[in-house]
Amino acid sequence: AQSVSQHNHHVILSEAASLELGCNYSYGGTVNLFWYVQYPGQHLQLLLKYFSGDPLVKGIKGFEAEFIKSKFSFNLRKPSVQWSDTAEYFCAVREGSGNTGKLIFGQGTTLQVKP
Amino acid sequence: KAGVTQTPRYLIKTRGQQVTLSCSPISGHRSVSWYQQTPGQGLQFLFEYFSETQRNKGNFPGRFSGRQFSNSRSEMNVSTLELGDSALYLCASSAGLAGGETQYFGPGTRLLVL
Repeated sequence: AQSVSQHNHHVILSEAASLELGCNYSYGGTVNLFWYVQYPGQHLQLLLKYFSGDPLVKGIKGFEAEFIKSKFSFNLRKPSVQWSDTAEYFCAVREGSGNTGKLIFGQGTTLQVKP
Repeated sequence: KAGVTQTPRYLIKTRGQQVTLSCSPISGHRSVSWYQQTPGQGLQFLFEYFSETQRNKGNFPGRFSGRQFSNSRSEMNVSTLELGDSALYLCASSAGLAGGETQYFGPGTRLLVL
């Protein structure tokens, strides 16, 4: 069965530190890839997505992610985090070959940024 | 455009009861998906409806059911509630057409089963 693995469950960083959150998936076909963020008390929001084309995608708030097909990975990065980036981050995968709204989510990574 | 709305936002029920949750998608969206979010299991896909038909189904027991109306609004029903059904239930909508769609999530309904 398709699965998504996020390597870090809880990350603590100081402001201005660089961030990289790992995401690997187990599906060999065409995929659509997403990173969602859930700020405290708020609903899931889309950070960025990859469907096709340039494997380096840029999202909101300075986030970017790189799709490496050979490694089945879609890691999220930000060069310099801010206290306001404290949130839970979810990687999600959808099979890209058909019409489906089914997303498979990773377990999530809680990011705590210290001021 | 207004976002995805879910009602009620909070709900307390007792074991054995049933519950119905409602989701109104973004205007023009025809696909509605439901997810269960718990601390232990994370976000798990329940089912998806498109044009009043169930298009995908996750691995949940038959106590979990749903439907979609002609205006794309969707309801989810859980019968014979168990303590383990306590969770945040999220609804997401998308246009539902060919692949390459983004899902937009609502704020969720937090269900507590006592």
